[in-house]
Amino acid sequence: KAGVTQTPRYLIKTRGQQVTLSCSPISGHRSVSWYQQTPGQGLQFLFEYFSETQRNKGNFPGRFSGRQFSNSRSEMNVSTLELGDSALYLCASSLPLAGGLLDTQYFGPGTRLTVL
Amino acid sequence: TQLLEQSPQFLSIQEGENLTVYCNSSSVFSSLQWYRQEPGEGPVLLVTVVTGGEVKKLKRLTFQFGDARKDSSLHITAAQPGDTGLYLCAGAQNNQGGKLIFGQGTELSVKP
Repeated sequence: KAGVTQTPRYLIKTRGQQVTLSCSPISGHRSVSWYQQTPGQGLQFLFEYFSETQRNKGNFPGRFSGRQFSNSRSEMNVSTLELGDSALYLCASSLPLAGGLLDTQYFGPGTRLTVL
Repeated sequence: TQLLEQSPQFLSIQEGENLTVYCNSSSVFSSLQWYRQEPGEGPVLLVTVVTGGEVKKLKRLTFQFGDARKDSSLHITAAQPGDTGLYLCAGAQNNQGGKLIFGQGTELSVKP
């Protein structure tokens, strides 16, 4: 089985611009979660999508948004980029279990975003 | 709010030494996972522990979940240079779906 893929792998933007990152989950996985990883804050949960619906959301401003398509592929968008948005953005896919429990999350290699 | 405190943050040891990484919280988790991440890659799952008091062994790695499901530890025996990397603990809570709460990570360097 192919793993989680993320595109692009590297991205350089300037302040004020917007960016869209893409994540293709493992075939058959319907849950996609997004995380931001920075040296100072570590890995922080952004949001999770399941069956095209946002199921969970972290504590990030509204500039961060996402969506999921019918084939489970997901995109996240960051508008009005700030210097502090420079980070590694990771997505993870899983087979969600009943009762809100979590199955194993498989992470992609991430997209390294640099904001100048 | 950092719900998972991981320690130590940095660890530099010689090949053959033993080490323990701790992950502590005041919150209860339904499961706790340990990941290892190498530069330029995403975290790779090592183990999931779900039962209080559970101990799991993976070759030279031993993982323990506290009785109250609030803390966990990772013990590596006879560390090797190939163990070098960032070790992350992550907790899941009931009805939180795909939301993992991560510790800050432990940067391990094993010198030959």
